[in-house]
Amino acid sequence: DTGVSQDPRHKITKRGQNVTFRCDPISEHNRLYWYRQTLGQGPEFLTYFQNEAQLEKSRLLSDRFSAERPKGSFSTLEIQRTEQGDSAMYLCASSSRQGLETQYFGPGTRLLVL
Amino acid sequence: LAKTTQPISMDSYEGQEVNITCSHNNIATNDYITWYQQFPSQGPRFIIQGYKTKVTNEVASLFIPADRKSSTLSLPRVSLSDTAVYYCLVGDSYSDTDKLIFGTGTRLQVFP
Repeated sequence: DTGVSQDPRHKITKRGQNVTFRCDPISEHNRLYWYRQTLGQGPEFLTYFQNEAQLEKSRLLSDRFSAERPKGSFSTLEIQRTEQGDSAMYLCASSSRQGLETQYFGPGTRLLVL
Repeated sequence: LAKTTQPISMDSYEGQEVNITCSHNNIATNDYITWYQQFPSQGPRFIIQGYKTKVTNEVASLFIPADRKSSTLSLPRVSLSDTAVYYCLVGDSYSDTDKLIFGTGTRLQVFP
């Protein structure tokens, strides 16, 4: 069990560019979550997958954001036409079962939009 | 999901016991109280969960009074490595939606 990994760890981009982040969950975890965290705030839920199905999306996930989990393993989060307000830490978590106590988080991808 | 209120920050010294209280006046019958810990530049980590009375594990204790409108996370004999943000979450741990709803948390600073 190597834990949840995220790539890249840091990303600097210019406003208007597209960025894509990857999350590799703990193997055999069928539930995968994306959260966003801005400075001084707690993480905010973005979206949730069970296997390859995207079952819930937050209203925070504007049409510039898209997430996929094509084979029910790793997941990608893409942000199109980035804005300065997208600067944040993007966290991925996975779990093997239902429950508020079950989520294992990755180290996050820190995005800075200039 | 029940709203929670925690102190924004707390200071302590190494070796002391730290108690962080969380208020959740509108907690529902099916709601559990769950605490996560977050170190700088890391994702949150689950530390303890409870429904009522007292729960203890190797990391912390959680005290929940009979009315369940508040809870207290107790960290015994803190060390510098306990410096982190602690989040109190309240929700139904067995509902279909188990997304985590974080508040701003309590920033604990431990001094030598």
